[in-house]
Formats: sequence, C-alpha cells, structure tokens
Amino acid sequence: LAKTTQPISMDSYEGQEVNITCSHNNIATNDYITWYQQFPSQGPRFIIQGYKTKVTNEVASLFIPADRKSSTLSLPRVSLSDTAVYYCLVGDMGNAGNMLTFGGGTRLMVKP
Amino acid sequence: ETGVTQTPRHLVMGMTNKKSLKCEQHLGHNAMYWYKQSAKKPLELMFVYNFKEQTENNSVPSRFSPECPNSSHLFLHLHTLQPEDSALYLCASSQEGTGDGGYTFGSGTRLTVV
Repeated sequence: LAKTTQPISMDSYEGQEVNITCSHNNIATNDYITWYQQFPSQGPRFIIQGYKTKVTNEVASLFIPADRKSSTLSLPRVSLSDTAVYYCLVGDMGNAGNMLTFGGGTRLMVKP
Repeated sequence: ETGVTQTPRHLVMGMTNKKSLKCEQHLGHNAMYWYKQSAKKPLELMFVYNFKEQTENNSVPSRFSPECPNSSHLFLHLHTLQPEDSALYLCASSQEGTGDGGYTFGSGTRLTVV
C-alpha cells in the first residue's frame, strides 16, 4: 500500500491560492490519487482524483508529475469556508480489499 | 446529502447497552466500509464488505459486529463498549471493479460511551 506524507498544517488568507503537496514514493501502477476534504464531525468529501498529469474541476486542480511520486492539490482563491482537513489517498480504488488507509491529513486554516 | 445516509447522527450509550448503527447507500455501489475516527487521529478502517461479503476485519474487537444484509445496507452492532470507543463512526461506499472513482462517506454517527 502506498504510504503518503503531507504537511500537518498550513495557514493561508482569504483570496490566496493554496497548494498542498503529498508525497507517495511507492505508488503502484494501478494506483489513483484522490483528495478528500473533511469538516469537523462530518465524513470526508471527495474533491478530485487523478492518475497522471493535470486534472481540474470546478473546485480544485491536481498536479501530478511524470514519476507520480508526489501530487499537489491546488485550491484557487480560498475562502474561510475552505478551512478543513485535506487528505491525500493513494491506491487502487477499484479493489475494496486493498484496505486503503488515510494518513493524518493537512489541516488548512484560512484567515480573514 | 451524499447518497450515503447514516443513523443515528448522535448516540450516547452505557457500557452495558446494545445498540446498532445503520448505513444506507443509494448510489448502486457494491462495496461498503466502516471507519472509526477518534479525536485528532486518522481515520481507521474497521470493516470492508464487497458484494455483501466481509473481506477484511482490521483486527477490530469482537464488541463491534458488522452486518451487511444486502449491497445497500450496512450495520454495526455494538455491545459492552468501553469509553475509549467513543468516536465518530463513518460509513463509506465505493464501486468495486473500476480503478477510478472514490469513497463516498456518510455524515457519521457521533458515539459517546458513558
């Protein structure tokens, strides 16, 4: 199982772009990279997923270099409501038996 | 609503009680999971059900007993719990057999054992 490493916490201000990087040096060929957002006392919410290069949706972008050993979640122009914990999860999502494990996540604090 | 519904949202129980947590998914997924999240700790995977069959039991104490009667419903039966079992219990579902996609989580049940 690919182990992930993220910064424990980050601070930002409203309107800034935030980039959170996740390291996953032993990512396997079949593994996807998925990011989740979690607010207190709620379940994690899917943000974005990618396999290689760049993926963009209405809330974020995901940059994955060619070697796939890391990935960067980019949140454009954050607001106070983006204060949350962000998790990077790496694995073959199509195999439930893979027992994907969440790491500690990155606690993002957005300040006025 | 995420498509995964958990009830109850909050539960307080004594150490001698028996209670059950319920999870229902309306997404047509074929894999369901129970996770435990204690204060300031990462999510811990407890059980995995794939096509209604339990595929993993991640060394969870026997006072937690899962049940999956069909691919849309998942229960977690609780008995003789300890105060350290107080946590947020999260249910998730996913679609087995595809490389992409992700987990869809419910809002969780906040359990307090007194």
